[in-house]
Amino acid sequence: GQNIDQPTEMTATEGAIVQINCTYQTSGFNGLFWYQQHAGEAPTFLSYNVLDGLEEKGRFSSFLSRSKGYSYLLLKELQMKDSASYLCAVRDSNDQLIWGAGTKLIIKP
Amino acid sequence: ETGVTQTPRHLVMGMTNKKSLKCEQHLGHNAMYWYKQSAKKPLELMFVYNFKEQTENNSVPSRFSPECPNSSHLFLHLHTLQPEDSALYLCASSQDYGSTDTQYFGPGTRLTVL
Repeated sequence: GQNIDQPTEMTATEGAIVQINCTYQTSGFNGLFWYQQHAGEAPTFLSYNVLDGLEEKGRFSSFLSRSKGYSYLLLKELQMKDSASYLCAVRDSNDQLIWGAGTKLIIKP
Repeated sequence: ETGVTQTPRHLVMGMTNKKSLKCEQHLGHNAMYWYKQSAKKPLELMFVYNFKEQTENNSVPSRFSPECPNSSHLFLHLHTLQPEDSALYLCASSQDYGSTDTQYFGPGTRLTVL
């Protein structure tokens, strides 16, 4: 079966760096997405990786290794507003989006 | 209005009620989606419409009935629901279906079935 694994919850300190991991086993691979979802709000697009390597976008970076079925989202200079759930999703060879259950990130002062 | 909007934001209904969820996208997209989001579970894709035609129905019970009158509007009609149907129902849209296009989500309808 198809599966996306990410930690259920993580805690980090304001101003620090946190890395949220995502591993996947899917029928083929056509790209990996990261979304941010604040409580009670819509998931919003953060990043898209289809080739191996690191994509940097301001304080957020996303890394992909297709051979390892692995990605991470790196958040730097954490702010209180970064407290949210982070969803990993992989598009398989049928262009179906397979979603992880999300990682709830708690930022402490 | 911009992006994807959903109404109502909250809905409480009894098992014998009939209600409808509404989604509207102002992005000029051709594909629209209904998802169910339950606590600590992955998003579950329910239905997909592309150019107003239903392309996906992921074994969703018939008590959920979608309707897509045009590319900008999507409805989810609900009847004789069960308490386990309580969840956040998210609508999303993308430029096209079956591509690498990013999906844009609405804020969701928090549904409680008593």
